[in-house]
Amino acid sequence: NAGVTQTPKFQVLKTGQSMTLQCAQDMNHEYMSWYRQDPGMGLRLIHYSVGAGITDQGEVPNGYNVSRSTTEDFPLRLLSAAPSQTSVYFCASSYDRPMNTEAFFGQGTRLTVV
Amino acid sequence: AQTVTQSQPEMSVQEAETVTLSCTYDTSESDYYLFWYKQPPSRQMILVIRQEAYKQQNATENRFSVNFQKAAKSFSLKISDSQLGDAAMYFCAYLAGFEGGSEKLVFGKGTKLTVNP
Repeated sequence: NAGVTQTPKFQVLKTGQSMTLQCAQDMNHEYMSWYRQDPGMGLRLIHYSVGAGITDQGEVPNGYNVSRSTTEDFPLRLLSAAPSQTSVYFCASSYDRPMNTEAFFGQGTRLTVV
Repeated sequence: AQTVTQSQPEMSVQEAETVTLSCTYDTSESDYYLFWYKQPPSRQMILVIRQEAYKQQNATENRFSVNFQKAAKSFSLKISDSQLGDAAMYFCAYLAGFEGGSEKLVFGKGTKLTVNP
């Protein structure tokens, strides 16, 4: 199994550009989430989904959109990139709610907005 | 709002010795879950250990164990017989919203552990 796959691994954007970070998992996990990791800040939850068709906001949702049309995919869209969105982004999934099962993380996407 | 505090930005330990990483959290919930995740330079996040708040017994996974003090809201990680491969960032995490049905992991800022040969 591939686990959680994030693409791309690295990306440079100009301010104002839009893009989609892809996240796919092949473990039939219901719960998926997006985090951003900034130096000295730990991981902060952006958006999460408890199943196909259901999404909700996390701690820092502004400037990001998500959708969950299938169980496998949970893309994160940056509508108009800003330098403040320079960060490392992690997608995670778990079979059930995080308290029941381990969360599996992708290897991250390093995004730089110039 | 729930918060997780890791007061040690960096720690170091000699190979084969024991080190303890500190974590405190703030919550008004009575039932919740706590985790320690490891992030090596590869950036992969790896679950180290998990503790359910309703369990009084401290969780143990091989060389990793926790000291869970519910009243003090403290959740420290002890690594015994430290190995070079243990060098990584360690994140303490709290599962918020369990009682409300909207569970979210809240992470601390991390502790960078260096293992000296």
